Amino acid sequence: GAVVSQHPSRVICKSGTSVKIECRSLDFQATTMFWYRQFPKKSLMLMATSNEGSKATYEQGVEKDKFLINHASLTLSTLTVTSAHPEDSSFYICSAGDGKMATDTQYFGPGTRLTVL
Amino acid sequence: DAKTTQPTSMDCAEGRAANLPCNHSTISGNEYVYWYRQIHSQGPQYIIHGLKNNETNEMASLIITEDRKSSTLILPHATLRDTAVYYCIVRGGGSQGNLIFGKGTKLSVKP
Repeated sequence: GAVVSQHPSRVICKSGTSVKIECRSLDFQATTMFWYRQFPKKSLMLMATSNEGSKATYEQGVEKDKFLINHASLTLSTLTVTSAHPEDSSFYICSAGDGKMATDTQYFGPGTRLTVL
Repeated sequence: DAKTTQPTSMDCAEGRAANLPCNHSTISGNEYVYWYRQIHSQGPQYIIHGLKNNETNEMASLIITEDRKSSTLILPHATLRDTAVYYCIVRGGGSQGNLIFGKGTKLSVKP
């Protein structure tokens, strides 16, 4: 149980294009989903928290107009990197909370490697 | 959320128990201790979490000291596939508090 998938696993795009990454909770409903970014040899950094049916909450320094997050259902959140540039190249990882009242454990997807040329 | 301190790296022989320590001296009463691990180029994998009592599941055991200021993750029989970065994270219960990842401990299991 508690499986989270991401699609695509890898994407290469040209500078200036937009890229959409999907995050799905496969066997549970996730009221809250999270998006992280990880640069090489660095730890994960939280970008934003999304709640189903409401606007995402972005961490300081993360541009909400550049990283569009949609959490339209209890099993799907999407991250769109708009007008991507080479500095946006990174490993993007989502997680989903299992909603259990006591702890709301987060389960992570396998990640999406974005390379912007 | 309370900060945690972990050793940068550890080695363990295959088949032996791996004991990964974590200090969280500023933990507050409603904060849980979570452990995740990240194998290279993959998303973090949930291992275990606890509040006060020791916990065990199919992957590992979590030993929390009585004063809750430190904990130890135990992998009872380490295999080569357990080589990963292990993160100890303190977080509030429910939806309170995000997961804040530090640098973790790089565990290398050697044959």
